[in-house]
Amino acid sequence: ETGVTQSPTHLIKTRGQQVTLRCSSQSGHNTVSWYQQALGQGPQFIFQYYREEENGRGNFPPRFSGLQFPNYSSELNVNALELDDSALYLCASSPASKETQYFGPGTRLLVL
Amino acid sequence: GIQVEQSPPDLILQEGANSTLRCNFSDSVNNLQWFHQNPWGQLINLFYIPSGTKQNGRLSATTVATERYSLLYISSSQTTDSGVYFCAPEPNYGQNFVFGPGTRLSVLP
Repeated sequence: ETGVTQSPTHLIKTRGQQVTLRCSSQSGHNTVSWYQQALGQGPQFIFQYYREEENGRGNFPPRFSGLQFPNYSSELNVNALELDDSALYLCASSPASKETQYFGPGTRLLVL
Repeated sequence: GIQVEQSPPDLILQEGANSTLRCNFSDSVNNLQWFHQNPWGQLINLFYIPSGTKQNGRLSATTVATERYSLLYISSSQTTDSGVYFCAPEPNYGQNFVFGPGTRLSVLP
């Protein structure tokens, strides 16, 4: 059984660019949640996908968007990058929407 | 929305010491998780504990949902316990877990 994987591990972008981050959920899990963790803070919920539909969203602007595929892997897209988007982006999968979450290693995004 | 507080914010221990970390939350919750984030950023599940007490080796956790708090106990601490400990309750009205600010633990040899 493979765990949650994320790609890429690190990424450097410039302000105004667009970025796509990827997450493969753990085998048997149909729910994926995305979090943003700024330096020195706890993770903040961006949104959750359950069976390919958005199933809840945190306080993030529309330029943060997502997708879940039939194999339950997921993408996080961020348009018009801002300096404050620099953070660790974490993906978590769970067997259902209100179950224990298992986190991937994260993608470190730096916006210059 | 729900407010989550964790105490203490920082803790330094000698190897072998015991500690208690506290998580207070402002609203009724369906569930609560405790995580350990290692120095490389990986979040590791410790407990899924909406109520009651659970134990896993040197770690145990207790959640008293009616009084809106949870405790994480670490006994005989080891240097590998160092990192940040987060609690994340899920409010009754929400679809997501809300993370607290964390407790940063340093265990010295």
